[in-house]
Amino acid sequence: DIQMTQSPSSLSASVGDRVTITCRASQSVSRYLNWYQQKPGKAPAILIYAASSLQSGVPSRFSGSGSGTEFTLTISSLQPEDFAIYYCQQTYSTFRTFGQGTKVEIK
Amino acid sequence: EVQLLESGGGLVQPGGSLRLSCAASGFTFSSYAMDWVRQAPGKGLEWVSTISGNGVSAYYADSVKGRFTVSRDNSKNTLYLQMDSLRGEDTAMYYCAKVAHIASAFWDDYWGQGTLVTVSS
Repeated sequence: DIQMTQSPSSLSASVGDRVTITCRASQSVSRYLNWYQQKPGKAPAILIYAASSLQSGVPSRFSGSGSGTEFTLTISSLQPEDFAIYYCQQTYSTFRTFGQGTKVEIK
Repeated sequence: EVQLLESGGGLVQPGGSLRLSCAASGFTFSSYAMDWVRQAPGKGLEWVSTISGNGVSAYYADSVKGRFTVSRDNSKNTLYLQMDSLRGEDTAMYYCAKVAHIASAFWDDYWGQGTLVTVSS
């Protein structure tokens, strides 16, 4: 199975900060990499698909980049509603895997 | 409006069985693959299974292969997950999700609210 590793596991940031989360794959996943946001008690919600495509309705402060084994999710200016856990997911393999998550907390 | 509504969760003893359902509406159900994803209490997301739109192809995580069976009834717009030989480590919130795709890129664009499965004696 393809292993996905996110860094950092958690971070503290202030409203207005630029935040970057990294996701690394144990082998190339091309650009078949998605990012989800999960808030407490809620189901995950898609933010970015295919590495850099913004899901309809998602604010433009979210962006994704990368290919192969290294990917990043960037929040250009952190808003109060962005404090959540973020997960990457590879769908290169039919045996899909998620990263362990990155918790973004208020500083 | 796309809606996914899971049901069937509950408390079950180790070694027992449970069948989860996911009722779908607001889209052409048979045209889309569907995923099951679970989340143990306080833990991250774990992909469980994927089934193709026509139900012919199904894939499972190693952790559930041979114990769980995914199926769908496209006439009823319903997805199922039959869970047998349940273990404590299967305790989790189980989500169903609709799989969107463009060419070979896939992602879960809609999720249900989840149904909680607790395996305990």
